[in-house]
Amino acid sequence: GAGVSQTPSNKVTEKGKYVELRCDPISGHTALYWYRQSLGQGPEFLIYFQGTGAADDSGLPNDRFFAVRPEGSVSTLKIQRTERGDSAVYLCASSPIAGAGHNEQFFGPGTRLTVL
Amino acid sequence: QQQVKQSPQSLIVQKGGISIINCAYENTAFDYFPWYQQFPGKGPALLIAIRPDVSEKKEGRFTISFNKSAKQFSLHIMDSQPGDSATYFCAAFEEAAGNKLTFGGGTRVLVKP
Repeated sequence: GAGVSQTPSNKVTEKGKYVELRCDPISGHTALYWYRQSLGQGPEFLIYFQGTGAADDSGLPNDRFFAVRPEGSVSTLKIQRTERGDSAVYLCASSPIAGAGHNEQFFGPGTRLTVL
Repeated sequence: QQQVKQSPQSLIVQKGGISIINCAYENTAFDYFPWYQQFPGKGPALLIAIRPDVSEKKEGRFTISFNKSAKQFSLHIMDSQPGDSATYFCAAFEEAAGNKLTFGGGTRVLVKP
């Protein structure tokens, strides 16, 4: 079956603009995660959804970042007033069940965001 | 605060050799330690994982060694192949703190033919 897909694969924007990054998780996966990977570094946790609700958004760096998952499937990461420091690869992952015990997180290929 | 420290940042190994990557953690509440493999332009993919009640886990050419008292764990890639050339990340997970993975900084491995 299809894995996690993310669109667009690349996004170039200008400082101050608004961007939306989309994630389509594996069908049936209830948990969805967003991570940010800066060049040469490991992914850093941003937010995790269980179903439609954000169960943990402690990794969002500031209030310019916001994510939604209105129907418990597709998620959108929204970044307002983008800054050059937001340039990174934004990774989405999903897992079958969240909560009790660890479940493997399946990652998408990421969206490479470049803020000029 | 970097909770999972990984070394080396990069390594070069000859085909057939052993690649060794080390990680150290600080949070003793971590209870699951996966390793991820990432190829350029792709997302990380789970390679192998271990829980702290086990000192070693082997899957094919990949072995995790775990030292709970030292808060260290390592990945050994035996008989390294050119196709193993990738970036490897160790990670840690605390079940009680939610489902977020804490990653190390990554090790870029190049296997020369």
